[in-house]
Order: sequence, then C-alpha cells, then structure tokens
Amino acid sequence: DADVTQTPRNRITKTGKRIMLECSQTKGHDRMYWYRQDPGLGLRLIYYSFDVKDINKGEISDGYSVSRQAQAKFSLSLESAIPNQTALYFCATSAHWTGTNEQFFGPGTRLTVL
Amino acid sequence: GENVEQHPSTLSVQEGDSAVIKCTYSDSASNYFPWYKQELGKGPQLIIDIRSNVGEKKDQRIAVTLNKTAKHFSLHITETQPEDSAVYFCAASRGLTGGGNKLTFGTGTQLKVEL
Repeated sequence: DADVTQTPRNRITKTGKRIMLECSQTKGHDRMYWYRQDPGLGLRLIYYSFDVKDINKGEISDGYSVSRQAQAKFSLSLESAIPNQTALYFCATSAHWTGTNEQFFGPGTRLTVL
Repeated sequence: GENVEQHPSTLSVQEGDSAVIKCTYSDSASNYFPWYKQELGKGPQLIIDIRSNVGEKKDQRIAVTLNKTAKHFSLHITETQPEDSAVYFCAASRGLTGGGNKLTFGTGTQLKVEL
C-alpha cells in the first residue's frame, strides 16, 4: 500500500551495528505497529503505538526499541544487530475511529545481519 | 497470550478447484478473525474478516467460517484462479476494545494454483 512506506527496502549490516528502520504513513491513522516475518513463523508483533508518545511491547521486543516521533512516523531500532534478527520487517497502521480492525501494511524491509 | 495454529503450510490445487485453510486459536476472549493475503514482494492485505457474533461470511469466491465452541475458523476459496496464488495468514484478536487490536498471526499457508 503506497500510503504506508518503509525505508530502506533492503539492508545488509554487520553484527553489532545499530540499525534504524523507518515507517511513514499518509493515511492519518493513529495506531502503528512493527512486525517481523520469518519463514514458518508467520508475523510476530515487536512493538505497537496507539498515539504519539504511546509505546507498547509486543511478543518479541527484546533487542529492539521504537520511537513515535509524530503521528505519521514510527521508527524501529536494533541497538546492536545480531544474525538472528535477519528477517523481513513490516510496519502497519490502523485507525480506532473507523470501527474496523483492518491493519494496512507497508511493503516491508528485508534486513540481513552478517 | 493468544496462540494461533494454521494448516496446511503449503497447498497446491488445480485451477477451478476449491482450497480450504484451517486455523485454531486458544484465547476464548478473541472475537475478531481476519485473513490476510500476501503476494510476492508485498505486505499482507486484508481479504476478509469475521467477528465472533456470526458463523459465516462470504465475499464472492471467498468465505470464512467460525466455530467458537471448537475455537477454529477456516478460509474457503472456490473456483481458484492463478492470481489466488499467494501466502495466506489467519489471525485472531480481542478487537478494538480488548487489547487494542493486537493481531496474533498464524504461520501462513503458501497456496499454489496450478494451470
């Protein structure tokens, strides 16, 4: 969905490096999410935010941190990347006022940690 | 927390046949069950969803059924076409008022529709 963009789309880095993945949305949604996708494991929630300054841990938050700088931006950081953080990362958004639960996903960032 | 199991992990059907994907969930408080389709190189996209107050929902060739007692729900695709080839994910949630719309996903099903 072009309304949710992620940068970079691909990233190769080395163990121990700090990495930031960025997500921007033009949908005007208040809620944003970060997931990681691994083969055979589906999508797992890392962090989510219901509004600016609101941050909540998901099921696999260890080794990650996030920042919600503005309603439209939600960044995911890997403080010290390790190889098992190699995965496909997705940002998603939703709006509580629509009355639906639909989440809109970005195109993903493929991260490789060597 | 919620646990969602999805089967099969891969499914191959002939064009025109039907495809069925099944999921089970563990949290009896879950009340919203969406299905997402992920095409190659793209993010997942919602294709159909069902709430716990109904047992079945249909949208053209796609239908979802829910059995709350058994805690399982299924996706049915009829008259499959090559463009149905993708990865499908089921998910469960307590909805907007219970836990803030956090989705717990199944592990995905790679559907291949062969000509």
